Order: sequence, then structure tokens, then C-alpha cells
Amino acid sequence: NAGVMQNPRHLVRRRGQEARLRCSPMKGHSHVYWYRQLPEEGLKFMVYLQKENIIDESGMPKERFSAEFPKEGPSILRIQQVVRGDSAAYFCASSPQEMGYTGELFFGEGSRLTVL
Amino acid sequence: QKEVEQDPGPLSVPEGAIVSLNCTYSNSAFQYFMWYRQYSRKGPELLMYTYSSGNKEDGRFTAQVDKSSKYISLFIRDSQPSDSATYLCAMSGGGSNYKLTFGKGTLLTVNP
Repeated sequence: NAGVMQNPRHLVRRRGQEARLRCSPMKGHSHVYWYRQLPEEGLKFMVYLQKENIIDESGMPKERFSAEFPKEGPSILRIQQVVRGDSAAYFCASSPQEMGYTGELFFGEGSRLTVL
Repeated sequence: QKEVEQDPGPLSVPEGAIVSLNCTYSNSAFQYFMWYRQYSRKGPELLMYTYSSGNKEDGRFTAQVDKSSKYISLFIRDSQPSDSATYLCAMSGGGSNYKLTFGKGTLLTVNP
């Protein structure tokens, strides 16, 4: 089942280090979305990307966070100088086109970041 | 007031029971309403999708949307232990349909 693949599934970082989370969308999907799930909170939209383009990053913290979806390779969510508050599950989702009438985003299993 | 409110439960029912899960919302721009199921340590998977008001049925699942009351529901008939999961409501609209706003989720346990 070539679903949305995320790695690493678990990542431990110390405060001040960098975290890189990778996402390979489903085959044939060119739209990628990143969501964050904080403990005791619902999933929150972070960013929407197409190949080589950031379409909407309105949910991304202004500092330390960046995302890319290069022409070749997976989408990457990068968190610089991590702090304890960044500990969360980060989910990537993909769709074949901008999520339209089907309403379906296909989610990966998430990357769980723990900041010590 | 949060945009989407969902009772986190937990909700525990016997096998075969009818389960009712609900969300309320405040943003009248929402037009697309979804229910996702999330098993422990897994990603959400789409169960039901509804556009605007009305009912939608799929097997044992029925989704209802009442836009006038800003209230959505998911009913599960003949619940099974395999239905034990966290159920997330989500909605979008207002020109950014890809930007889903999720409830916190309701943890459901169906006991055999």
C-alpha cells in the first residue's frame, strides 16, 4: 500500500538542535499539507505546498519553521533550534489536486517529535 | 470561543450500541464537513464527507449537518470493537477548502 510515507516515525532532539521531518506523498499526488497535533489539542494546519511552491504557510510559526517540496524528493518540514513546546506529532497529508469536492486528504502515520 | 468544539469523552459503549458523536462550530463560512477516524499512534483516515447541510449514509455510519444550528453529528449503528478509536470532526470553507479545522477528537471504546 503506497500511502503517504513519513519518516522518521519518532525523533528525539535536545533543545537547540534541528529537526527534519520528511514526507513522500501518495503516488500521483502533487499537493502536500502539514498539520501539527499538540498534546491535548486538535490537528492544526501548518502549510500547503505544491511542487517547488509554498501555497499557504499561514499556520506556520514565523520563526524557526520552514517547509519545502522540491521538484525531486520528499517534502521536508524543518524546525531549527527546537524548544520543548515543539514536541508534538507532525502529520503530512496529500491529495491529487487541491482538496476539492471529495474533501479527502490522505494522511501519513505521523512523525512524533520529542524535545528534551 | 473555539472555532470547533468537540466533547473529548472518553465514551465507552457495549458492542451493538448506537453511538452519537457531535461537534459544534462558530464559523458560518464552513461548507465542507468531515469525520476522520484515528487509531492509536496512526494517522487520521476519512470516514465521511458532507457538503453543506443534510444527511449522508455509508453502511453503519450516518453523518448529519445542520448549518442553521452550526452542529454536526456522526452516528454509528451496531458498533463493533473495531470501531474503538478517536473520532475527529473537521471542516473547511471560505475559499481555503484545504485548510481543515479539526475538533480535538472523541475517544470511543466499544466493549465486546
